Amino acid sequence: EAGVVQSPRYKIIEKKQPVAFWCNPISGHNTLYWYRQNLGQGPELLIRYENEEAVDDSQLPKDRFSAERLKGVDSTLKIQPAELGDSAVYLCASSFQPQGTQYFGPGTRLLVL
Amino acid sequence: SQQGEEDPQALSIQEGENATMNCSYKTSINNLQWYRQNSGRGLVHLILIRSNEREKHSGRLRVTLDTSKKSSSLLITASRAADTASYFCATAEIQGAQKLVFGQGTRLTINP
Repeated sequence: EAGVVQSPRYKIIEKKQPVAFWCNPISGHNTLYWYRQNLGQGPELLIRYENEEAVDDSQLPKDRFSAERLKGVDSTLKIQPAELGDSAVYLCASSFQPQGTQYFGPGTRLLVL
Repeated sequence: SQQGEEDPQALSIQEGENATMNCSYKTSINNLQWYRQNSGRGLVHLILIRSNEREKHSGRLRVTLDTSKKSSSLLITASRAADTASYFCATAEIQGAQKLVFGQGTRLTINP
C-alpha cells in the first residue's frame, strides 16, 4: 500500500514568488493535515481537513497561505507571496481518525531566497 | 503552540546502551504518541499509549505514562546505530480541537 505522497520534495524560490505543494493521502484516510516544521523544532499544525472540510485552520496565516482539498482526497497548500521566514519543511499527514495514528509524507523542503 | 516538552534536547550514547527520553505536557489528554524522524524524512509512528494505560511495550520500545505528573518516557533498549534520529512526543488533548500537538523533540545519536 502506498504511503502519503508529497511533491515536490525540494523547492527553491525567491521571496515574493508563489509556491504550491501537493499531497495525496493514504487511501481511505478522511483526515488530512498540513504541518510546518522549522529546523530543530517539532511539526506545527497549519490546517486539518475532515474529508473536504477544513475543521481547524486557526494556525494558518491566511493573508498569504491557502489550502484546498477538493473531492476530499488530495490537497494543495499554497503560499503567495512567499517570505524569507517561510523557509521550512512542509509535511502532509493523514489518519483514519482525528486523534489516531498519523502517517506522514516525506515533506517538501522549501527555501526562500 | 507546542504542548509537549522533551528532555533532553539531545542525547548521545554508545551502541548497546539504553536510551531514555522524557516528555512533559500541560493539559489533560486522550492519548500520547511517540514518533521518530530520520534526517530529511517524514515522521514515523512508533507507539500510542492511552490515558488509562500506564505502560506499553513494542519490541525494544517501552513507553510509560504518568497522568498525575503529566509526563511520559520512551525507553529504547539495546540501542543500534539505526536508532539515530529525532524522537517526538505528541499529545491528543481532551479539550479543544481534536488534534495532536507535537513537542520539540529529542535528538538521539547512537555511536558505534
